[in-house]
Amino acid sequence: GAGVSQSPRYKVAKRGQDVALRCDPISGHVSLFWYQQALGQGPEFLTYFQNEAQLDKSGLPSDRFFAERPEGSVSTLKIQRTQQEDSAVYLCASSLYQSTDTQYFGPGTRLTVL
Amino acid sequence: AQTVTQSQPEMSVQEAETVTLSCTYDTSESDYYLFWYKQPPSRQMILVIRQEAYKQQNATENRFSVNFQKAAKSFSLKISDSQLGDAAMYFCAYRKNTGNQFYFGTGTSLTVIP
Repeated sequence: GAGVSQSPRYKVAKRGQDVALRCDPISGHVSLFWYQQALGQGPEFLTYFQNEAQLDKSGLPSDRFFAERPEGSVSTLKIQRTQQEDSAVYLCASSLYQSTDTQYFGPGTRLTVL
Repeated sequence: AQTVTQSQPEMSVQEAETVTLSCTYDTSESDYYLFWYKQPPSRQMILVIRQEAYKQQNATENRFSVNFQKAAKSFSLKISDSQLGDAAMYFCAYRKNTGNQFYFGTGTSLTVIP
């Protein structure tokens, strides 16, 4: 595609529900990143994939957060048993080859946990 | 640890005038990359400009230029001939040369006054 797309754009969940956020990177991009952006803050790194391999998950805040990219293209960020502190915008970015290449961001998914 | 500081939460500029956004960072690395990203209300982060730390020459992209002071760990963005479409949040970001992660500042909200 022309750019990184994410769905849904908005998600409201009740506390305790599981949610799944989808990211479609730019076609052919090898590297994929997830970020969490709290209100009024800059994005914070969550995890990084190179193709289907999750090479860095050091930013995931708890074991309730899980990400996958099984075929090396589309990625899903899953949050289990959502908590109010999980409310944020979740951004996905992709880059052509290495993690050091320029990252192109999607529009994000705004998650609100009630 | 790498930290990025943007000390100006909000800035405003008259249309057609010039504005400078400040950014400082802390690192013990000698080789790294610095970025300015623009985030309009649509939330899509757009790369404005990129600077490699090993390059002494300041990066320039049309109306956007940076003042990179490596010794001072300062990386300011100058926007010339400001346009209404420049209104957005601007994030300064740092990445190690071999790193996966971007480290973002807290952002500067730029208003352009017609």
